[in-house]
Formats: sequence, structure tokens, C-alpha cells
Amino acid sequence: GQNIDQPTEMTATEGAIVQINCTYQTSGFNGLFWYQQHAGEAPTFLSYNVLDGLEEKGRFSSFLSRSKGYSYLLLKELQMKDSASYLCAVERQGDDYKLSFGAGTTVTVRA
Amino acid sequence: DADVTQTPRNRITKTGKRIMLECSQTKGHDRMYWYRQDPGLGLRLIYYSFDVKDINKGEISDGYSVSRQAQAKFSLSLESAIPNQTALYFCATSDPDRGLYEQYFGPGTRLTVT
Repeated sequence: GQNIDQPTEMTATEGAIVQINCTYQTSGFNGLFWYQQHAGEAPTFLSYNVLDGLEEKGRFSSFLSRSKGYSYLLLKELQMKDSASYLCAVERQGDDYKLSFGAGTTVTVRA
Repeated sequence: DADVTQTPRNRITKTGKRIMLECSQTKGHDRMYWYRQDPGLGLRLIYYSFDVKDINKGEISDGYSVSRQAQAKFSLSLESAIPNQTALYFCATSDPDRGLYEQYFGPGTRLTVT
């Protein structure tokens, strides 16, 4: 099995930066996904990291350190619409590409 | 039109009733998944399917069954619903054999068992 930990809640101000951390313990790690989920809606794909390092996509960036079992999602220039839950999910090698999800981090953006 | 659809979107049922949740996709993906989401627990995998002939249990399959009627359709059944099956249920698809590793989720079905 695996443990996937992320903070339950975070609050930030519009225009600011927020970093959501995710730590995991798993055997045979393959990759890590980040999803965004607005309340009552479907999760939508944000990023997929397989190699160490930072990947940037517009206002959102995702970082992975395989040796440390650590990832973060960085949200820059926060907007009110970024208020949502952010889900970290781990993909294991040889496990049929199944995902194991963390409980999610609820980010509230305040004016 | 949405690529992954789920019916019904909301359902209230009584303990002991049989209920089926349906999922359809137009993405042409081979793999389909059923998850449930509970507050504070995240998404948990119930069943997944590689194709019509290949169905596999996830981490919480007890009390559930599935049917893959076609590549595009994957149904989840609760043979005898119980209150702790009250949750938000999501269907998802992917196609890693074509390099499409991310999962695409349907809009969800909110199920309440009284």
C-alpha cells in the first residue's frame, strides 16, 4: 500500500502564491498526478510528473523529488476561481496504471 | 457534449434496494474505472476494467458489482444498498496504451441511502 499525505486546508489572498505539498511512501513509484476539483464537480487533470524537477504550465507548476517522496503544486497569481480542492495521486509501477489518491487539500482564495 | 457521462446525477434510495449507476464515454478509451469519494477520505477505487472481458477489483469492491457492456459503457451496481454506501461516485476513463495516462472523470453521481 501507500501513504499519501497533503494538508487538509490552505487559505491565501487573491494575487498571492500558494504551495501545496504532497508526501508519499510507496513501493515501485512510477509517477505523480495533480488534479483540481471544484466543489461538487469532477476532478480535472492538472499535471503529471515522472522525472525529478519542476514542470510549469502557465500559473500552475508541479515539482517532484522521487528520492524524497515529495511533490508540490505551486499556484501563482491566485484568482478567486482557484478556490477548489487539489488532489495528489500516485501511480505505481506494475500496478495497471491505477492511481491512489490523497485526501485532497482545500484551497480558499480570499479577496 | 461531455466525453464521460453518468446517470443518474442524483439518487436517493432505501436500505436493501438494488441500484445501478451507469457510465458512458465517447473518448474511445479502453480503461474505465469506478471510484467513490467520501469527505476526508479522497477517491477510492471500487472496480476497473481494461476491456469488455477484463474486470478487476479495486480496494473497496465489497458490496458492489460491475458490468462492462461495451467499450463505451461501464455500470456499477449495489445489490442491496446500505447507508454507508452514501457517497459521491465517479466514473473515469484512460488509455495508457496510447500514452493517455491521465484519467478523465465523469460529473459524478450523488447517492444517498436512507
